[in-house]
Amino acid sequence: SQKIEQNSEALNIQEGKTATLTCNYTNYSPAYLQWYRQDPGRGPVFLLLIRENEKEKRKERLKVTFDTTLKQSLFHITASQPADSATYLCAATSGTYKYIFGTGTRLKVLA
Amino acid sequence: EAEVAQSPRYKITEKSQAVAFWCDPISGHATLYWYRQILGQGPELLVQFQDESVVDDSQLPKDRFSAERLKGVDSTLKIQPAELGDSAMYLCASSLAGQGEQYFGPGTRLTVT
Repeated sequence: SQKIEQNSEALNIQEGKTATLTCNYTNYSPAYLQWYRQDPGRGPVFLLLIRENEKEKRKERLKVTFDTTLKQSLFHITASQPADSATYLCAATSGTYKYIFGTGTRLKVLA
Repeated sequence: EAEVAQSPRYKITEKSQAVAFWCDPISGHATLYWYRQILGQGPELLVQFQDESVVDDSQLPKDRFSAERLKGVDSTLKIQPAELGDSAMYLCASSLAGQGEQYFGPGTRLTVT
């Protein structure tokens, strides 16, 4: 079955460092990948979308890559801050706009 | 800034009772989604509407769940009867037709006792 996998273990990093989160997909060829941020008790907030023909997308301190050979997307936060602490969700769609979400990775940025 | 509205924010109900959730998407958004999110997991799609039509409800437990979007604007998700395993966050999201990003509401936290 189609699967989106994210590292379920929490990621702790020091303030100022770059956080890198991984999203792998199997039995699937998504046309789009999205990344969302979710704070406890709140709905996800859209961050970035990348298409299968794009290798990289940037927005301020955020960068996402899409490697169709490795079946993987990487999400980077540069110069991380404690305010970046949250759960980050990866979501993929084959183009019908039905999205499959990963379980999310919890990021904690230590001051 | 336009937001997706959901109510109630919290709901406690006893098993076998009926419960309903309401969602008002961002004005002009043709696509509306209902998701269920269990703590520690990602959102799972229950039903997707394009205007008033159901596009996908393959993961909706149709023996107890129903959803409607009669005029293609706001939507209601109903559970009858509720079971203990239905305890979760129910999220509504909307998007412009042809666009990818989804805008989520604050969710309804359901507890079934």
